[in-house]
Amino acid sequence: AAGVIQSPRHLIKEKRETATLKCYPIPRHDTVYWYQQGPGQDPQFLISFYEKMQSDKGSIPDRFSAQQFSDYHSELNMSSLELGDSALYFCASSSSSGEGSYNEQFFGPGTRLTVL
Amino acid sequence: QKEVEQNSGPLSVPEGAIASLNCTYSDRVSQSFFWYRQYSGKSPELIMSIYSNGDKEDGRFTAQLNKASQYVSLLIRDSQPSDSATYLCAVSPFQFQGGSEKLVFGKGTKLTVNP
Repeated sequence: AAGVIQSPRHLIKEKRETATLKCYPIPRHDTVYWYQQGPGQDPQFLISFYEKMQSDKGSIPDRFSAQQFSDYHSELNMSSLELGDSALYFCASSSSSGEGSYNEQFFGPGTRLTVL
Repeated sequence: QKEVEQNSGPLSVPEGAIASLNCTYSDRVSQSFFWYRQYSGKSPELIMSIYSNGDKEDGRFTAQLNKASQYVSLLIRDSQPSDSATYLCAVSPFQFQGGSEKLVFGKGTKLTVNP
């Protein structure tokens, strides 16, 4: 079965640079979520999109922005990178129409961002 | 106080034993509960979802939910060394169609199954 696709898998940036992370949800999934997981931490919710509209916002810095496109893929844009942004970034997707499987979120492999 | 609490472990069980993982949550309106398995450096993998009080079984896994006690657990029967991972409990507020609900995770319990 098709899974969530994320690119790139690894990214190395310098401080103050910009990064763009991409996410392609499972086909027919209409909702995309972004999570950040620091070393030894649990995933923290950043932002989500339903049918291309932002639906919820968590602890996402103002330096970060995201959007969902007409083909349902999503991009997370990160500017003025800081050392503390080094983390695993996961995208997850879900279907709002799944009967008996409300809000089951399936995670992509993640992008490991290292800020030097 | 974190919204979702788990024993951080580590939890160590011998191969073939039952592993029991526990989770409590603070938000009474929570409706959807999930267990994810995460191997080191990998992404969380959904293994169980539960929405109603009682037990839900899937293969070697059984999830148990008690909304009155705000408690959810995961039992792994016949534990295998390949079950060694961190198990994350996740909760979302609403049972909602037509939108999205963020997951709030516990810090995870590290399980080691010894051969």
